[in-house]
Amino acid sequence: DQQVKQNSPSLSVQEGRISILNCDYTNSMFDYFLWYKKYPAEGPTFLISISSIKDKNEDGRFTVFLNKSAKHLSLHIVPSQPGDSAVYFCAASASGRDDKIIFGKGTRLHILP
Amino acid sequence: DAGVTQSPTHLIKTRGQQVTLRCSPKSGHDTVSWYQQALGQGPQFIFQYYEEEERQRGNFPDRFSGHQFPNYSSELNVNALLLGDSALYLCASSFSLEQFFGPGTRLTVL
Repeated sequence: DQQVKQNSPSLSVQEGRISILNCDYTNSMFDYFLWYKKYPAEGPTFLISISSIKDKNEDGRFTVFLNKSAKHLSLHIVPSQPGDSAVYFCAASASGRDDKIIFGKGTRLHILP
Repeated sequence: DAGVTQSPTHLIKTRGQQVTLRCSPKSGHDTVSWYQQALGQGPQFIFQYYEEEERQRGNFPDRFSGHQFPNYSSELNVNALLLGDSALYLCASSFSLEQFFGPGTRLTVL
């Protein structure tokens, strides 16, 4: 049972344009959401997070939007840069640090020159 | 700050053998979580250690066990290895909500 779903295995975006990565979840107990970025041969790197009390969180070029009623979140990267090419994982947890983090399968983002 | 470190980087074992993977958390972090990442999948939670005790456990059999030491470092042990245990094993440490991952140990079971 996939509680966190990333339905796009890959995405190609022109350099300088906006990249939008989507994520859906099924567990209504999730109250904290994270995005991780992973390069080959490295562990996932924390990118940005959002609590369920917010609907938007911004950090430089990265913005995460949360739509609780639709159980949907998205990561926007503007403008996209070549170094953004990586696998992006959406993740969620319930009740903060005491609970496990559930990851989606990831979306591979290709930034085209 | 060295960040999260894991050893070894790669490991090859045969079916039925036992393996121990090691993790040193980021300085100041007291919680260690272990994940298994199979090819084409996201990391799957195995278990989490805090104050030298297993606090949370995912859907993994008892063949998977762990330990946390007083200095917060941790070990993951897998007994009676199966071919399906071949994966990247990730360790993550945390002090608050965000978990910081190590580079992982690539385990191949032949």
